[in-house]
Amino acid sequence: GAVVSQHPSWVICKSGTSVKIECRSLDFQATTMFWYRQFPKQSLMLMATSNEGSKATYEQGVEKDKFLINHASLTLSTLTVTSAHPEDSSFYICSARATSGRVQETQYFGPGTRLLVL
Amino acid sequence: AQSVTQLGSHVSVSEGALVLLRCNYSSSVPPYLFWYVQYPNQGLQLLLKYTSAATLVKGINGFEAEFKKSETSFHLTKPSAHMSDAAEYFCAVSVPLGGGADGLTFGKGTHLIIQP
Repeated sequence: GAVVSQHPSWVICKSGTSVKIECRSLDFQATTMFWYRQFPKQSLMLMATSNEGSKATYEQGVEKDKFLINHASLTLSTLTVTSAHPEDSSFYICSARATSGRVQETQYFGPGTRLLVL
Repeated sequence: AQSVTQLGSHVSVSEGALVLLRCNYSSSVPPYLFWYVQYPNQGLQLLLKYTSAATLVKGINGFEAEFKKSETSFHLTKPSAHMSDAAEYFCAVSVPLGGGADGLTFGKGTHLIIQP
């Protein structure tokens, strides 16, 4: 149980285009999903917290107009990197937290999406 | 704000030897603490977590960690290393809010190398 998927796993795009990454909780409902960014050989940095049916909360230094987050249902959150540039190339990982039950404190992570902007 | 310090960006042990990965945290309130493992080009897998119950927490793959409030530590151990344990290990902390924990603050990670 507690599986989180991400799509796509790999994406290469040209500079200036927008890229959408999906995060789905497959076997549980997630009121809250989180988006992290990981640079090579570095730790994960929280970008934003996504709550179903409300606006995302962005961490300091993360441009909300560049990284659009939508959490339209209890099983799906999307991250859109708008007008992507090479410096946006990174590994983007989402996580989901169940709405209730004993697993409430645990975040379950997706496998990540590697973005390369040329 | 909370923070996590992992001592040693790389730890090398022989197969069969004790694994000890160190994690110290800082938090103004009692935290939730987690250890995650990441294999190359993969997401994170939860090894174990501390959420204010027993201070000695047992996780998957033979790992365990002990929460020591007086030392603000949550070190990860495994009695006997296996080649398959080679991976990146992250310690993380979150502060409980109403209804559950907040986003995670991660340490910088420790790369575990297993020598044959």
